[in-house]
Amino acid sequence: GAVVSQHPSRVICKSGTSVKIECRSLDFQATTMFWYRQFPKQSLMLMATSNEGSKATYEQGVEKDKFLINHASLTLSTLTVTSAHPEDSSFYICSAPDRFYGYTFGSGTRLTVV
Amino acid sequence: GENVEQHPSTLSVQEGDSAVIKCTYSDSASNYFPWYKQELGKRPQLIIDIRSNVGEKKDQRIAVTLNKTAKHFSLHITETQPEDSAVYFCAANQAAGNKLTFGGGTRVLVKP
Repeated sequence: GAVVSQHPSRVICKSGTSVKIECRSLDFQATTMFWYRQFPKQSLMLMATSNEGSKATYEQGVEKDKFLINHASLTLSTLTVTSAHPEDSSFYICSAPDRFYGYTFGSGTRLTVV
Repeated sequence: GENVEQHPSTLSVQEGDSAVIKCTYSDSASNYFPWYKQELGKRPQLIIDIRSNVGEKKDQRIAVTLNKTAKHFSLHITETQPEDSAVYFCAANQAAGNKLTFGGGTRVLVKP
C-alpha cells in the first residue's frame, strides 16, 4: 500500500531555533500533502496544504512565515518551524491523498521546544 | 469550509457491549467519510470508510452508516473488546481541495 515516511519522529530543540520535518511518499507520487498539528488530547487540526510546483495554502490563523512549507518534488514535502517557542510543542503529522487508499499518514513528529 | 462535530467525547462500555459514535458534517458536497483509531503518539489508523454513494458498510465487528440528507454518519462497534480502547476520529473531506476535516474525537474505554 501507499507509504509516507516522516522524519524525525521526535525532536527537542531550544527556543528560537528552527526545526525541519520531512515527509516522503515512498511508492507513489504525492502532488499534495496536508500538514496537521495535534495538541495533547485534541483533534488533528489542518495547518496547511502543500502542492508540488506551487505555493502552499494556509488555514486561517496559521502564520505562514512561522511554518514554512515546501513541496520540492512529487515525493517530498517539508515543514519548517521557524523561531520555535514552547507553545509550538506539539505532534505534527503529514498526510497525502491517494486515489486507492484514501489518505496516507506519516508516522508523526513529536516536537518539544525547551 | 467543512465543520465536523463528533459525539460523545468520551464513551465507557462494558466488554461485549456495543459502542456508537456519531458525527455530523456541514459540507453537502463531501463524499468521503473515514473513521480512524489513534493510539497515543501514533498516526491515525483507518478502520473503515464510506463514500457518499453508499448508505452502510460493514467489516466484521465494525459498521458505518451514512445519512446524506441529514448529513450525519455513525460508527458502530459490536462485541467490544479491551483492545478497542482508544481514541476514535471521524472525518469528512471537503470537495474543494480534498482536505480532510476531523471531528473532535471520542475516547473509548472498554471495561473488562
